[in-house]
Amino acid sequence: EVQLVESGGGLVQPGGSLRLSCAASGFTFSSYWMSWVRQAPGKGLEWVANIKQDGSEKYYVDSVKGRFTISRDNAKNSLYLQMNSLRAEDTAVYYCAREMVRMAIHAFDIWGQGTMVTVSS
Amino acid sequence: SSELTQDPAVSVALGQTVRITCQGDSLRSYYASWYQQKPGQAPVLVIYGKNNRPSGIPDRFSGSSSGNTASLTITGAQAEDEADYYCNSRDSSGNLVVFGGGTKLTVL
Repeated sequence: EVQLVESGGGLVQPGGSLRLSCAASGFTFSSYWMSWVRQAPGKGLEWVANIKQDGSEKYYVDSVKGRFTISRDNAKNSLYLQMNSLRAEDTAVYYCAREMVRMAIHAFDIWGQGTMVTVSS
Repeated sequence: SSELTQDPAVSVALGQTVRITCQGDSLRSYYASWYQQKPGQAPVLVIYGKNNRPSGIPDRFSGSSSGNTASLTITGAQAEDEADYYCNSRDSSGNLVVFGGGTKLTVL
């Protein structure tokens, strides 16, 4: 079964750090771009960052540049998101998602169940 | 702010047809993908590309595109289609990813 399972969420104080993990199974992880997408309580979906199959390219939404780092370990079929200098506005459910990338097509075809990150004192 | 614009809310009578739209400059170069999200659940891909449905998605869901506007059509809406719907594509630069703000669909 194709599956993504996130972990590492929790309550953290403003200015703190947290590392999210996403374990992939049921497909060849090293063949896909991967992303983190978040959803603040009661709000819409927001793409956060993505990483190329071999880790050579990484992109971020402006609001997290310089604070968040996406990485992957293909040997462990795992995706990570290191989050530093966390702010209240980073509070959200964070989803790991597999990307389907073809000419003129971009889609997230597999999603994890999400992990909640709460930034509060 | 999102580079893709969706109407915040749309309603449809049970069994009728509804169209949900998504507008943005990047849609002149990239197809929109569409996601259904029910409360407390992860999003589910329902349409991608020109008009492709992943396995398990009912054929009452279809997609179309014209200029800078993409549309998701549900033909014969069912009660279980009541959900939030999001579009996404690459942004105009082609490097980043964007989502629309979402449309809450109510089935009356």
